[in-house]
Amino acid sequence: EAQVTQNPRYLITVTGKKLTVTCSQNMNHEYMSWYRQDPGLGLRQIYYSMNVEVTDKGDVPEGYKVSRKEKRNFPLILESPSPNQTSLYFCASKAWDSEAFFGQGTRLTVV
Amino acid sequence: DQQVKQNSPSLSVQEGRISILNCDYTNSMFDYFLWYKKYPAEGPTFLISISSIKDKNEDGRFTVFLNKSAKHLSLHIVPSQPGDSAVYFCAAFLSGTYKYIFGTGTRLKVLA
Repeated sequence: EAQVTQNPRYLITVTGKKLTVTCSQNMNHEYMSWYRQDPGLGLRQIYYSMNVEVTDKGDVPEGYKVSRKEKRNFPLILESPSPNQTSLYFCASKAWDSEAFFGQGTRLTVV
Repeated sequence: DQQVKQNSPSLSVQEGRISILNCDYTNSMFDYFLWYKKYPAEGPTFLISISSIKDKNEDGRFTVFLNKSAKHLSLHIVPSQPGDSAVYFCAAFLSGTYKYIFGTGTRLKVLA
């Protein structure tokens, strides 16, 4: 089954404690991206990757890092999380000629 | 600056009637538009799309209309069903950029 898998689905952490949210896709898509969803703001892109070892900033990259060492994986790293990063996060993957497929989301709370 | 806008945060419709969700955009260079549906605790799922060279695309109960001169698109659901109750996001896409720009979403509630 074609899918994008994120882990964990729910996470509560404390300010400043580094965390990683994993994302994996099984569709051999070149393009992967991370979004955050906040009330009244819709889905905003954090980072994206056009292919292995190629990443770039989206609209709200501050406080986040990513890496793309393998085609299927695109982890999101928060080196020092802060409460304003409390949000619902989605990973997505896409081929050049397809629509984007989204993971089920990670609800992050930073206290 | 919000390039894609959904001005109605919520909409309630009676079962069997038509639901019309609206979306406006500002960048005339967008060449592809999509609608995604999102249920609680799930990721957005693709619903329907339209290329900028068309003005209408239909898929079953779902039809998307594009008015380029007005920079406006709409999603029509006929007839609406309770299972259609979800948040709907419109998205605009610029070919070659791999980037979607999403609206803020409209929560549709279909009343049985």
